[in-house]
Amino acid sequence: LAKTTQPISMDSYEGQEVNITCSHNNIATNDYITWYQQFPSQGPRFIIQGYKTKVTNEVASLFIPADRKSSTLSLPRVSLSDTAVYYCLVGSLSGTYKYIFGTGTRLKVLA
Amino acid sequence: EAQVTQNPRYLITVTGKKLTVTCSQNMNHEYMSWYRQDPGLGLRQIYYSMNVEVTDKGDVPEGYKVSRKEKRNFPLILESPSPNQTSLYFCASSYMGQRYEQYFGPGTRLTVT
Repeated sequence: LAKTTQPISMDSYEGQEVNITCSHNNIATNDYITWYQQFPSQGPRFIIQGYKTKVTNEVASLFIPADRKSSTLSLPRVSLSDTAVYYCLVGSLSGTYKYIFGTGTRLKVLA
Repeated sequence: EAQVTQNPRYLITVTGKKLTVTCSQNMNHEYMSWYRQDPGLGLRQIYYSMNVEVTDKGDVPEGYKVSRKEKRNFPLILESPSPNQTSLYFCASSYMGQRYEQYFGPGTRLTVT
C-alpha cells in the first residue's frame, strides 16, 4: 500500500476554488487514487477516483500528473457545507484488501 | 434505498461485558469492513471480509472478532471490552470490483468505562 501525505488542515472562503494535494511517492503501477469526504459524526463518502490525467464529476475534479507521485483534489466554488475532512487513498483494485485512510485534510470554509 | 445500517448507534458499557455491534447492507456487496476512528489517528481498519466465511485482519484487530455467515451481515464482536476500545466505529461495504468505492454506515459511538 502506498503511503500518502496530505496537509493537516486548510482554510478557505465561500466561493473560492480549493485544491488539496496528496503526495504518494511510492505509488505502484496498478494503483488507483481515491478521495473521500467525511462530515463530523458521519461515515466517509466516496467523492472521486482516478488513475491518470484528469477526472471530473459533479462534485470535484481530480488532477494526476504524468509521474503519478501526487494528486490534487479540486473543489470548485466551495460553500460552508464543504467543511469536512478529505482523505486520499492509494491502492490497487486487484491487490490487497486492506485500506489505509490516514488522518486526512481538515477543510474549513469561512463565510 | 441503498444503505449500510449499524446498531446500536450509541453504547455505553463496562469493562469485560461482551457486546456485539451489528452491520447490515442491502446492496449485495461482497466486501465488508470495520473501522475505528479516534481523534488524531484517522480511520483504522479492524477486520474485513471478501465474502461469506472469508475474513481477514486489518491494521488493529486485537480485542475484536468478526463473522460473516450471511452476505448482508458483518457483526463486530468485543468479547471483553476495555476502555481503550472506546471509539467511533464504522462499517463499510463495496463490490469487490470497486473496492475503493466503499459505502459507510452512520457509525456507532462506543464508550467503555
